[in-house]
Amino acid sequence: GQNIDQPTEMTATEGAIVQINCTYQTSGFNGLFWYQQHAGEAPTFLSYNVLDGLEEKGRFSSFLSRSKGYSYLLLKELQMKDSASYLCAVREWGNQGGKLIFGQGTELSVKP
Amino acid sequence: DTAVSQTPKYLVTQMGNDKSIKCEQNLGHDTMYWYKQDSKKFLKIMFSYNNKELIINETVPNRFSPKSPDKAHLNLHINSLELGDSAVYFCASSHSDPRENPHNEQFFGPGTRLTVL
Repeated sequence: GQNIDQPTEMTATEGAIVQINCTYQTSGFNGLFWYQQHAGEAPTFLSYNVLDGLEEKGRFSSFLSRSKGYSYLLLKELQMKDSASYLCAVREWGNQGGKLIFGQGTELSVKP
Repeated sequence: DTAVSQTPKYLVTQMGNDKSIKCEQNLGHDTMYWYKQDSKKFLKIMFSYNNKELIINETVPNRFSPKSPDKAHLNLHINSLELGDSAVYFCASSHSDPRENPHNEQFFGPGTRLTVL
């Protein structure tokens, strides 16, 4: 079966750095996505990792360790607009059409 | 605007009714999806079509029936609505078949908030 775990909520201060962790167990891993979802809005794509290591994109970086079933999203120089839910999602390989399995999301609150 | 659009944005209806949600994308994508996001914010895949062919059909009640008249449209029809169907339904699209291109990101529509009374 599939299992994706993320912390439910986190709080951080404007200007700081925050790391949101995601652990997963899945049969047939074929990549991991991070999405950002502001309240009442659609999820938007942040990053994709399929190989081990760090992918950096501006203030956001995402890390993957396939052997540990672990990823994190790192947000630097936090801004108030970064307050949102961050969704970790794993792409499955195989006969299920390459579906994405989402975690329940981490609600990040950025305080002044 | 190039985007994924859904109508209606809000839908309030009585138990037992039948309703439809429409989705259109003008991104030229081949693959479209329906997701359900419940009150706990879990986003769960329901269906996916690639070039009008059903490729993902999760365990959802058969009261839910997707229809893809062409690859730019994927509609969701729900019969005999129940209280538990209350949720936000998101349509999404991606450039090509995720089985062949797993790195393709999905673009989500604005969501339809369905409330069943």
